[in-house]
Amino acid sequence: DVKVTQSSRYLVKRTGEKVFLECVQDMDHENMFWYRQDPGLGLRLIYFSYDVKMKEKGDIPEGYSVSREKKERFSLILESASTNQTSMYLCASSLTSGRREQFFGPGTRLTVL
Amino acid sequence: GIQVEQSPPDLILQEGANSTLRCNFSDSVNNLQWFHQNPWGQLINLFYIPSGTKQNGRLSATTVATERYSLLYISSSQTTDSGVYFCAAHKYNFNKFYFGSGTKLNVKP
Repeated sequence: DVKVTQSSRYLVKRTGEKVFLECVQDMDHENMFWYRQDPGLGLRLIYFSYDVKMKEKGDIPEGYSVSREKKERFSLILESASTNQTSMYLCASSLTSGRREQFFGPGTRLTVL
Repeated sequence: GIQVEQSPPDLILQEGANSTLRCNFSDSVNNLQWFHQNPWGQLINLFYIPSGTKQNGRLSATTVATERYSLLYISSSQTTDSGVYFCAAHKYNFNKFYFGSGTKLNVKP
């Protein structure tokens, strides 16, 4: 079974802090994704990566950066957390070819005070 | 991109009832997935169904790719079926997946 894990289920940070959210997948997937989910707004894509050190902006990249130094790990970075980044963050992965089924991690509920 | 619309947005059922959730998409797609978001927020894969019909226990799904829609059937619903159901579409020449806004299902005992 594909397994996608995220470093924290719940996280509380203060405004201005630098925040790292980590995601690891164990199925050798090329693609990895970061989404945020807010009530009434559905899932919105922040960034995705199709290979090591490669990244593309999604729909709402402002205020975020990402890092992919190893194939299995994709990090989301909030350089200076703000209260409007309080949200549920979901990581996902998929293959690049063939059956491109997307698998999700358990999510991280981030609260910025 | 691809517009994905789900209906109904909200659904209340009595335990034991059957239901059909619909997902319409605006363009031809290569992949179509159904997910269930559990109370803890995780999206659980239900079906990977770019075309045809699949069944898994009380759940089944049908995608008619030529008519650009997919249906998720839930039979003999249980309270544990409650949550939000999402469909997501993907096309090979796009890197991203396109999600519908979800159907929120509440199954009452």
